[in-house]
Order: sequence, then structure tokens, then C-alpha cells
Amino acid sequence: DQQVKQNSPSLSVQEGRISILNCDYTNSMFDYFLWYKKYPAEGPTFLISISSIKDKNEDGRFTVFLNKSAKHLSLHIVPSQPGDSAVYFCAAIFYGGSQGNLIFGKGTKLSVKP
Amino acid sequence: GAGVSQSPSNKVTEKGKDVELRCDPISGHTALYWYRQSLGQGLEFLIYFQGNSAPDKSGLPSDRFSAERTGGSVSTLTIQRTQQEDSAVYLCASSGRTGSYGMNTEAFFGQGTRLTVV
Repeated sequence: DQQVKQNSPSLSVQEGRISILNCDYTNSMFDYFLWYKKYPAEGPTFLISISSIKDKNEDGRFTVFLNKSAKHLSLHIVPSQPGDSAVYFCAAIFYGGSQGNLIFGKGTKLSVKP
Repeated sequence: GAGVSQSPSNKVTEKGKDVELRCDPISGHTALYWYRQSLGQGLEFLIYFQGNSAPDKSGLPSDRFSAERTGGSVSTLTIQRTQQEDSAVYLCASSGRTGSYGMNTEAFFGQGTRLTVV
């Protein structure tokens, strides 16, 4: 049973436009949410996070929104750049859960076209 | 080093052989995770170590897989009698703890070990 779901395996966006990556979760007990970015042949790198007590966190071009009632979070990248092309993983932490508390979605491959 | 280090970066092995993959976490990080990513798939959790607690092994796919963490630092993932379906990138991550509740912070990943079983 997948607790963190990224239903779009891929997304294509024009350079300069907004990229919106979505993530849904099933466990209302999650305390913390993270986004990771992964280039081919590299390990995932941490991008941005949000605590479950907040609904928005912004860092430069990256903003994460959390809607707890809908169990949904999204990552907005504005403006998108070709260097943002990568696989983006949503992850959640449940303090007290199994799977090492850190549970990943299957990822969304973002392609930003010049 | 400043980051998570994994070795080897690439490993090609014959089916049926045993392999050992090594992870050096960030100094001071108490939590260590192993994941693997098969071609076209997401991150599959394997095992999690937290300090001196018993590891969470719930993600290990079979009893051919085992991992240990010596002295709360370096970890070794061992795959016995490798099969072709074990071919994947094996990723290690570590995280520290912060705040009054000692909660894990974000995990930092190594570059991974690409294992190919032929």
C-alpha cells in the first residue's frame, strides 16, 4: 500500500513557465514532507521541506504548498529552467512509523524545454 | 568528507556471487538508510538504522540481503548469491537529529553504487 503517491510519472514544461509537481499521501500522521531532486547517475539531493503545521514554504524559485485536509502537497518551480530537468521525489516522515520514518513516492520526471 | 560516501561506485558481478556495498555516512548522523532504485522505478526502502536501536529491516526483499552498521557509523549492505533482478542502483542516506524532540532532519544521499549482475 503506497502511502506517498506521485501519480504523474512525467511532466513537460516550457522554459520560463511554472512547473507544478503533485504528491498525495494517505497517512494523516505524517509530520514532515520533503522534495528531492535526482539527476541521472547521481544520488537524490534535498530541495525543500515543509512541516505539517505549515501550509507554505518558499525558497527562491521553489515553493511547496501543503493542503492537509486534502492530504496533498505540491512543488512549484517558477520560472522553470532547463537545468531543473530531473526526477523529483516527494517524501514524508512519520515520527514513529516504520520504513525508517522516511517514505518516498515513485517520482515525477520533469522536462523543461528551452 | 563532508557528504555521504559510497563504494564502489560501480560493481559488476556474476550471478551467484556475493557482494558487499559500503556506506560512510556524514559524521555525527545517527540515522542511516539504504534504498535501491531499479531501472525506471522509484526509491525502494531496504533498511534503516537509528543510533543503537534495532534496525528496521522491513524493506529487505529476501534473506539474501543483510546489512550491518559498525560503531554507529559505516554500514555494509551484503547481497548473497546475487540474482539478475538484484541489478539496481543502491543508495545510502544519512540524517541527523534536531530539536527538543530529537526528530530526524532531511536525509542526505550518497552517489549510489550501480550493481550489475550478469
